[in-house]
Amino acid sequence: GDSVTQMEGPVTLSEEAFLTINCTYTATGYPSLFWYVQYPGEGLQLLLKATKADDKGSNKGFEATYRKETTSFHLEKGSVQVSDSAVYFCALTGRGGGGADGLTFGKGTHLIIQP
Amino acid sequence: NAGVTQTPKFQVLKTGQSMTLQCAQDMNHEYMSWYRQDPGMGLRLIHYSVGAGITDQGEVPNGYNVSRSTTEDFPLRLLSAAPSQTSVYFCASSYEAGNSPLHFGNGTRLTVT
Repeated sequence: GDSVTQMEGPVTLSEEAFLTINCTYTATGYPSLFWYVQYPGEGLQLLLKATKADDKGSNKGFEATYRKETTSFHLEKGSVQVSDSAVYFCALTGRGGGGADGLTFGKGTHLIIQP
Repeated sequence: NAGVTQTPKFQVLKTGQSMTLQCAQDMNHEYMSWYRQDPGMGLRLIHYSVGAGITDQGEVPNGYNVSRSTTEDFPLRLLSAAPSQTSVYFCASSYEAGNSPLHFGNGTRLTVT
């Protein structure tokens, strides 16, 4: 079945450091790929997405490129802030033809930014 | 501008008790789903619905029932709670299944003793 692998952390960085969170996937067909972010005590929010190979999703300074040849969707940000501290989830569309059986999520990466 | 509303926020049950977790959305989304979040496991799909009157099982459906009588509401029922159901439960909706982004509620933290 489909699966998503990402580092779990915690990942601790200093403010203004460069961030990379790795995400690789296994899937049949051509899934869409997502990054979601979860702040403490809240539900997940969509951060960015890409729907086909070589697409780049971007939002709030974060970027990720859909790499089909390496089955990866790594999340990057050039200069992190304390407010970026959260748990980040990589995900892909489900096994069904229309993705009706939901998203497959990675286990989440806990990011801590120190001032 | 409520989005996805889940109630209650916290709940403690004894083994064998039943309860319903409520979920409502005001965005006229056709697709709704329930996930559970456990440490080290990420999010796992319990049940989902692609429209009123239609439900289907996800990855971990055992011990849970759902129904979808209206577009807005998608309650999750625990028939006989077990300690293994201690988790944080999230309801999510989207315009349609697949590429549409999921909108999540703030979760219900359930403890079964």
